[in-house]
Amino acid sequence: DQQVKQNSPSLSVQEGRISILNCDYTNSMFDYFLWYKKYPAEGPTFLISISSIKDKNEDGRFTVFLNKSAKHLSLHIVPSQPGDSAVYFCVIGITGGGNKLTFGTGTQLKVEL
Amino acid sequence: EAGVAQSPRYKIIEKRQSVAFWCNPISGHATLYWYQQILGQGPKLLIQFQNNGVVDDSQLPKDRFSAERLKGVDSTLKIQPAKLEDSAVYLCASSLGQVNTGELFFGEGSRLTVL
Repeated sequence: DQQVKQNSPSLSVQEGRISILNCDYTNSMFDYFLWYKKYPAEGPTFLISISSIKDKNEDGRFTVFLNKSAKHLSLHIVPSQPGDSAVYFCVIGITGGGNKLTFGTGTQLKVEL
Repeated sequence: EAGVAQSPRYKIIEKRQSVAFWCNPISGHATLYWYQQILGQGPKLLIQFQNNGVVDDSQLPKDRFSAERLKGVDSTLKIQPAKLEDSAVYLCASSLGQVNTGELFFGEGSRLTVL
């Protein structure tokens, strides 16, 4: 039973345009959400997070939106740059859950010139 | 600050052979994790250590996988005997405290191919 779903395995966007990556989760107990980015042959690195008490968090070109009622979050990248080409993982956890994180399957983003 | 170190980066073995992966976490990080990432999937937690004690190994296939963290620093993950389905990237990660705002740091991973 997949608790975190990233239904788009891949996404292709033109440089300068907006990239929107989506994530759905099933358990309303999850109360913090993160996005990790992974380049080939490297480990995942943290990108941005949001807690369940917020519906938006922004960091430069990256914004994460959380819709708790829909159990949906999204990552917006604007403007997209070629260096953003990577796999993006939606990651969720529960406060008091002992740092146990659940990863989605990832979305491969390709930003084209 | 040095990151999480892992070795070897790549390993190719025949099925039924054994393999071991090593991890050195960020200095001072009490919690160490081993994840398995199969191609096309997200990382899955195999085992979590707090210092040298096991916090969670519920998803570790204990008939063939073992891990230890002697002295609460370095860790070794062993697979014996390996199966074809063990082909994956094995990621080590470490954290100092809570990870809810991104304080989980990964190594570059060890890619295992089982033939």
